[in-house]
Amino acid sequence: EIVLTQSPGTLSLSPGERATLSCRASQSVSSSYLAWYQQKPGQAPRLLIFGASSRATGIPDRFSGSGSGTDFTLTISRLEPEDFAVYYCQQYGSSPRTFGQGTKVEIK
Amino acid sequence: QLQLQESGPGLVKPSETLSLTCTVSGGSISSSSYYWGWIRQPPGKGLEWIGSIYYSGTTYYNPSLKSRVTISVDTSKNQFSLKLSSVTAADTAVYYCARHVTGWYDPLDYWGQGTLVTVSS
Repeated sequence: EIVLTQSPGTLSLSPGERATLSCRASQSVSSSYLAWYQQKPGQAPRLLIFGASSRATGIPDRFSGSGSGTDFTLTISRLEPEDFAVYYCQQYGSSPRTFGQGTKVEIK
Repeated sequence: QLQLQESGPGLVKPSETLSLTCTVSGGSISSSSYYWGWIRQPPGKGLEWIGSIYYSGTTYYNPSLKSRVTISVDTSKNQFSLKLSSVTAADTAVYYCARHVTGWYDPLDYWGQGTLVTVSS
């Protein structure tokens, strides 16, 4: 099983600042089958990024993903008020599919 | 617009079987090569993939739950279902159904709103 470790656990930032979230895998994620999701309280997760760097339909370009192998990054270039949420990475290249434990982006 | 909706009991007794159904609307569960999945989230915790199914009945399960999980599909009703046997308090969670973008090697793009299932006597 691939274990995904996200850091930091909580990121305290102000609107307009840049957010950098990390996701590290215990073994290489095949074909960069790595996704990022955003989850707000009481809502289902929302797909942001797939294939490590491709934005899902309707996702603003302030969200970008990068990385390969075992190290992946989600960057939010300028935080908007609606971006404060919990973010999860997920690998879907091997079974079982696994998620990271999440990074909470909170308002400073 | 594709929509998924979970339904089932919100309270299950320990040692019994949890049963949930996901109804898909706005699209056919048997179209293209879509896989359909179940994911759960204990209160205040992270996400855990339970398993996924293709309309033909092909299934993939999380090994940590495999001995207790059955996922099935009913194409005539455009639904797929989850059964989790011998539940304990550790199975208390919000249960989501979702669609893989296209095939098995894809993330999940459409999600239901989730349903809270509490295991308690």
